[in-house]
Amino acid sequence: DAGITQSPRHKVTETGTPVTLRCHQTENHRYMYWYRQDPGHGLRLIHYSYGVKDTDKGEVSDGYSVSRSKTEDFLLTLESATSSQTSVYFCAIRDTGRGRYEQYFGPGTRLTVT
Amino acid sequence: RKEVEQDPGPFNVPEGATVAFNCTYSNSASQSFFWYRQDCRKEPKLLMSVYSSGNEDGRFTAQLNRASQYISLLIRDSKLSDSATYLCVVTPGGSQGNLIFGKGTKLSVKP
Repeated sequence: DAGITQSPRHKVTETGTPVTLRCHQTENHRYMYWYRQDPGHGLRLIHYSYGVKDTDKGEVSDGYSVSRSKTEDFLLTLESATSSQTSVYFCAIRDTGRGRYEQYFGPGTRLTVT
Repeated sequence: RKEVEQDPGPFNVPEGATVAFNCTYSNSASQSFFWYRQDCRKEPKLLMSVYSSGNEDGRFTAQLNRASQYISLLIRDSKLSDSATYLCVVTPGGSQGNLIFGKGTKLSVKP
């Protein structure tokens, strides 16, 4: 158990509304990641963070923004949700103490945009 | 060519069977390799890291062939509880440690 929680776990929202997903970790990991998972695709990286206030884009960052104001929280925001953003969102941490690149995932947030 | 390719399956095998998953990756500079397991509607969980020398963990054996850019996972004496989707994962390197995921191979172990 890597001590990662995500909230909310499920959300239904309407097109055009803003949505913020939260990832919280309790073990002071420096690296945090947001992925989305869709049928027919592997997990795809949205954004990642390598420290407080240090973030960068991943493969599918359009339409998403992130913030990390403290080590334990990494927020993903959909500024104006679209139906194409209906997906399962996973947060992950990289435990550099165990190995260089292994990542451990939170339980996921199922988001439906109607 | 996709960065990480896996046979999508599904693989349907009886209990006790040996099953092999294969994976190829396109970036020859990839540095680290993993197999993750994902149960239905759950998060991916790290099953094994894959080392150049090959490694074994109980009924699971992982192999890496850098020259062929090929990774494998062998499950011996499969159990009903092994039913899941198996994800091949590589990292292209770099300090950020981003992972590239295959789409996964679904395994169903039947009684």
